[in-house]
Amino acid sequence: SAVISQKPSRDICQRGTSLTIQCQVDSQVTMMFWYRQQPGQSLTLIATANQGSEATYESGFVIDKFPISRPNLTFSTLTVSNMSPEDSSIYLCSVEDPGDSLSQNTEAFFGQGTRLTVV
Amino acid sequence: QKEVEQNSGPLSVPEGAIASLNCTYSDRVSQSFFWYRQYSGKSPELIMSIYSNGDKEDGRFTAQLNKASQYVSLLIRDSQPSDSATYLCAVNGASNDYKLSFGAGTTVTVRA
Repeated sequence: SAVISQKPSRDICQRGTSLTIQCQVDSQVTMMFWYRQQPGQSLTLIATANQGSEATYESGFVIDKFPISRPNLTFSTLTVSNMSPEDSSIYLCSVEDPGDSLSQNTEAFFGQGTRLTVV
Repeated sequence: QKEVEQNSGPLSVPEGAIASLNCTYSDRVSQSFFWYRQYSGKSPELIMSIYSNGDKEDGRFTAQLNKASQYVSLLIRDSQPSDSATYLCAVNGASNDYKLSFGAGTTVTVRA
């Protein structure tokens, strides 16, 4: 499976500021995703990071709040902009790994996550 | 997003027993099904994937899929204290839809 490095692992930020989270993969992957996991809850997909084009956002998430970059097939960033305490959450980068190139089945793997606290 | 529901927890089982976790999903065209284990403060770790109806066994874990009933389950045999974690059911859709929808998770505690 792909090895995913995500940083920072945690941060405490002042409200109104922005934080950029980086996700680096050790191999080229087509699909990269950003998820949010709020305290005590499950994972919610924020957006799909598309290489060479704008990210595709899920309902309830907008580009102005969560701008995403995907400059190549191994790297992506998520920025949490103009933060408020409600943005305190774990943010997770995920990639789809086909494993077997002959298989149409893919499996998703996650980075270590970024635990964000906004004060 | 597609709805995914898991049996409510927490689930407490004695060491050596079988833990049974259930998951139902709403999107009938869903093709791929996954179980993730998440330890407190850690990111989800893939433990099982299943794509066809029936059972799939991997060590002490068995996943069961019934697409007609839109149901997928995970059995953990000979439960160990190290199995204590939250288990997340995840589903994606048609073959060109790689986005995952997650259930709320079931927290399992294995009592020594």
